[in-house]
Amino acid sequence: QKEVEQDPGPLSVPEGAIVSLNCTYSNSAFQYFMWYRQYSRKGPELLMYTYSSGNKEDGRFTAQVDKSSKYISLFIRDSQPSDSATYLCAMSAGGGNKLTFGTGTQLKVEL
Amino acid sequence: GAVVSQHPSRVICKSGTSVKIECRSLDFQATTMFWYRQFPKKSLMLMATSNEGSKATYEQGVEKDKFLINHASLTLSTLTVTSAHPEDSSFYICSAPTTSGRDEQFFGPGTRLTVL
Repeated sequence: QKEVEQDPGPLSVPEGAIVSLNCTYSNSAFQYFMWYRQYSRKGPELLMYTYSSGNKEDGRFTAQVDKSSKYISLFIRDSQPSDSATYLCAMSAGGGNKLTFGTGTQLKVEL
Repeated sequence: GAVVSQHPSRVICKSGTSVKIECRSLDFQATTMFWYRQFPKKSLMLMATSNEGSKATYEQGVEKDKFLINHASLTLSTLTVTSAHPEDSSFYICSAPTTSGRDEQFFGPGTRLTVL
């Protein structure tokens, strides 16, 4: 079993839809959770960073962490074609530890 | 957010040659940088952790003599692919964590290496 599981997709949605992206993990030591967006042939871009369980909102993006279920989510409201990218979840145990990444979910938002 | 640059963005070389990739943190100091490799439609694979002033730490299965890492200063790490072969063709990405202690990493734009 991988430490972090993420559905690779592809996920195709119409413009304006609400997108839900998810990751599950098995390592209870993980306490820092991140979502990165990666466009084709580019480096990943940090979208959201969360520490504790609960929700964090930034514009159209909401990150949700449920440590009891070892489950994190990223919601994108009013999705736009420019949101088409691969979304990677990442997590760490803290203390300068390495990040453990999910496989990434490929999202396509269609007009 | 913090800015990390990489150079070159793309390189094509002949088999047997060596290629150097630079990673710079532009607006912050990084005692640690990470080097990743990414195959098409795959996730990031950590190759090594670059440490300023000491030897790099390589992940299991990564050849130290093949992928030379030097962390010359608090803002620069280099990855040299020695005697490159076609199977080394890949997308190489570096990242650097900020000193916030939060483990978030900022990534460079990546370098696409093609070995003929």
